[in-house]
Formats: sequence, C-alpha cells, structure tokens
Amino acid sequence: TQLLEQSPQFLSIQEGENLTVYCNSSSVFSSLQWYRQEPGEGPVLLVTVVTGGEVKKLKRLTFQFGDARKDSSLHITAAQTGDTGLYLCAEAKRFGAGTRLTVKP
Amino acid sequence: GAGVSQSPSNKVTEKGKDVELRCDPISGHTALYWYRQSLGQGLEFLIYFQGNSAPDKSGLPSDRFSAERTGGSVSTLTIQRTQQEDSAVYLCASSLQGHTEAFFGQGTRLTVV
Repeated sequence: TQLLEQSPQFLSIQEGENLTVYCNSSSVFSSLQWYRQEPGEGPVLLVTVVTGGEVKKLKRLTFQFGDARKDSSLHITAAQTGDTGLYLCAEAKRFGAGTRLTVKP
Repeated sequence: GAGVSQSPSNKVTEKGKDVELRCDPISGHTALYWYRQSLGQGLEFLIYFQGNSAPDKSGLPSDRFSAERTGGSVSTLTIQRTQQEDSAVYLCASSLQGHTEAFFGQGTRLTVV
C-alpha cells in the first residue's frame, strides 16, 4: 500500500510570509491531487499534477511535481488569513494526513 | 442536487446501537467513496464503489462496518454495535470516473456516547 507522507504536520505563520509544504511517497505516483479543507467542510480540489517535473500555478499557489513523480510540493507566496486550512495530498483514493496551516493576521 | 449531499449532518447515538449514514452523490458520477476523519486528522479511506464493479472494501476497519450503493446512486454506510472510537466525521465523495476529481459532501458528524 502506497503511503503518502506530508510535512510539516502543523505550520503557523504570519500574514505575508511564504511557505512550502511537502508530500512524499514510497513509490511512484500515477497522478497527484492537492486539496484544501476548511473547518466543517469537505476537502476541495486545488490541482491535479500528472507529469514529472510539472509546475502549476494557481494565483499565489505554486505546485511542483518531482521529476521522479515520488514527491510534490505546494508553495504559497504572501500568505493570507484566508489560506488557513488543512492541505491534503491524494493519489487515487488514498490521502495523506495533511498539513494544518494557520495564517495569523 | 448540485453537490454531494449527506444526511444526517449530525448524529448522536448510544454505544452498541446501529447507525446508518446516507450519501447522495452528484448525478452521473460513477465513483463513490467513503472516508472517516477523526478530529484534527487526515482522511481515512473506508470503501470505494465504481460503477457495477465489486466495491473496494479494503479500508473498512472491522466487520461492524458495511456499505452499499443501490442503483449506482445513493449509498448507505452502516455501522453496527457502535463503539466510542467510531466517533468521527464520515465524509462521502463522488467523481465522474474513478480517481478523477472528487467532490465531497459536508460530512456526518457521528458521536457515540
């Protein structure tokens, strides 16, 4: 069973700072999805990455897929309080444990 | 409806009772997933339905848990003889095909007292 490891588990930063969270696997991903979950809600898809080395940008969010397709990162530039939430990576039906981000004003 | 609908939104039950949780997926979505999320934790995969194929039950934690999907649409997750450790939010998701973008419901918060 493929394990998805996310780090850090918790991250607390000030508004305006940059941050990067990571998702790693013990084996090659066929594709990888990043979701964000806010309290009391279900996760919402942010992006799907498929090709090794792929970089996708979604406003202030930059997603990278490792060349070997065994790792991925999410970088947020100039974080805002609205970015607060649980960031989850997923492959097929399996999810990582998530990074819980708190952005303080 | 426009999205995935789950009911009830909250359920409090006594230890030892059976509970049924319902999920109405997005119309036309062939894939349906159930997950469990304990407080402050990630999503624990429970079961996956894809079309008419046999469901992937590999995530069900014990034989007290079962799920069915009638007519390829509505799904019911049943927990028999509930235990306190079953307390969690149970999330349902559907996708157009297997392992494409999953759309989640808001979950059922189950509390076993």
